[in-house]
Amino acid sequence: GAGVSQSPRYKVAKRGQDVALRCDPISGHVSLFWYQQALGQGPEFLTYFQNEAQLDKSGLPSDRFFAERPEGSVSTLKIQRTQQEDSAVYLCASSFDIHEQYFGPGTRLTVT
Amino acid sequence: KQEVTQIPAALSVPEGENLVLNCSFTDSAIYNLQWFRQDPGKGLTSLLLIQSSQREQTSGRLNASLDKSSGRSTLYIAASQPGDSATYLCAVRSDSNYQLIWGAGTKLIIKP
Repeated sequence: GAGVSQSPRYKVAKRGQDVALRCDPISGHVSLFWYQQALGQGPEFLTYFQNEAQLDKSGLPSDRFFAERPEGSVSTLKIQRTQQEDSAVYLCASSFDIHEQYFGPGTRLTVT
Repeated sequence: KQEVTQIPAALSVPEGENLVLNCSFTDSAIYNLQWFRQDPGKGLTSLLLIQSSQREQTSGRLNASLDKSSGRSTLYIAASQPGDSATYLCAVRSDSNYQLIWGAGTKLIIKP
């Protein structure tokens, strides 16, 4: 079956631009997670949704980061006024019951 | 605060060798531990998940062990092949939290 998909796969943004990253989770998965992975590091938690409810956004690094999942399926991570330190791979994962997470291929964001 | 460390950061071995990757964590109150594989430009693939009550899990040429009391897990790869070349990450889920806490990974290169 189809796995988690993310788009775009690559995004280059000029500093100060806004970007939107999309995640399509596995159908029927209730939980959805966003992670940020800097080069040479492990992923770091950003935010967690259960259906359409954002239950935890403690990992979002600043108020420039915003995530939504309005219908409990597709999720969008938005970054406003991008900065160079936002350059990273953004990973989305979904899970039926939070015990085992399935990851998408990620979106590599480069801010120039 | 849970911290996860992986040693070594990089490893290069000839094809056919058996090898061990190490993961250590500071808080033994974990719910489970997962080993993932990450290929360049691709997402994370879950290899093995060990529940806190288990001591080991096996899948093909892979064997993962867990020693909660010492805060360690090892991933054993038997008869390594060039296709095993990738970055291997371990992630820990704590008892009271759905977040995964990640190590920085071990970059493995298997030389033909």
